Amino acid sequence: GAVVSQHPSWVICKSGTSVKIECRSLDFQATTMFWYRQFPKQSLMLMATSNEGSKATYEQGVEKDKFLINHASLTLSTLTVTSAHPEDSSFYICSARNRDTGTYEQYFGPGTRLTVT
Amino acid sequence: KNEVEQSPQNLTAQEGEFITINCSYSVGISALHWLQQHPGGGIVSLFMLSSGKKKHGRLIATINIQEKHSSLHITASHPRDSAVYICAVSPPGNQFYFGTGTSLTVIP
Repeated sequence: GAVVSQHPSWVICKSGTSVKIECRSLDFQATTMFWYRQFPKQSLMLMATSNEGSKATYEQGVEKDKFLINHASLTLSTLTVTSAHPEDSSFYICSARNRDTGTYEQYFGPGTRLTVT
Repeated sequence: KNEVEQSPQNLTAQEGEFITINCSYSVGISALHWLQQHPGGGIVSLFMLSSGKKKHGRLIATINIQEKHSSLHITASHPRDSAVYICAVSPPGNQFYFGTGTSLTVIP
């Protein structure tokens, strides 16, 4: 089945530093990838939609200069949290849509837990 | 108002019990998804359906498009089924609406 990986699975960083999270589709090509964040005991919140070769589309309220998204290839999207602050601590999840199936199914990555100290 | 409502929010069951989780939605959709999130966070897609019923092992998902309602059933529940179950709908396009999840605990 379709597999999406994320790296790292968890990261602790100091306030003010930047952190990059990778999302890879391992056995399919994904023209569209999605980035979500999830706070404890809350549902997933869509942050942005990433299309290969073009700029990401950010949801209202998400700072595009703070959360940099790059979808450089059909199998890789990256999310960089710049100048991280403790309030950015969260669980970040990516998902990918298979280009070839043409369905509305999304395959989810295992998530990255970010803790900013 | 949430586009997707799930019930119950929390559910505790004895091992072996039949479990039902309900999902109602208010938007037109192309598909409805049931997701499972284990402690630790990773999400697994259980079902994607746009009509009727699907079965996978002890899990059954049904959807009634006219009533905008879906149910997830677990037969012969087991402690390893303990997780958060999330209903999500996808209208035409990229948007995904998530329910707040149902936290299931199955006690041995």
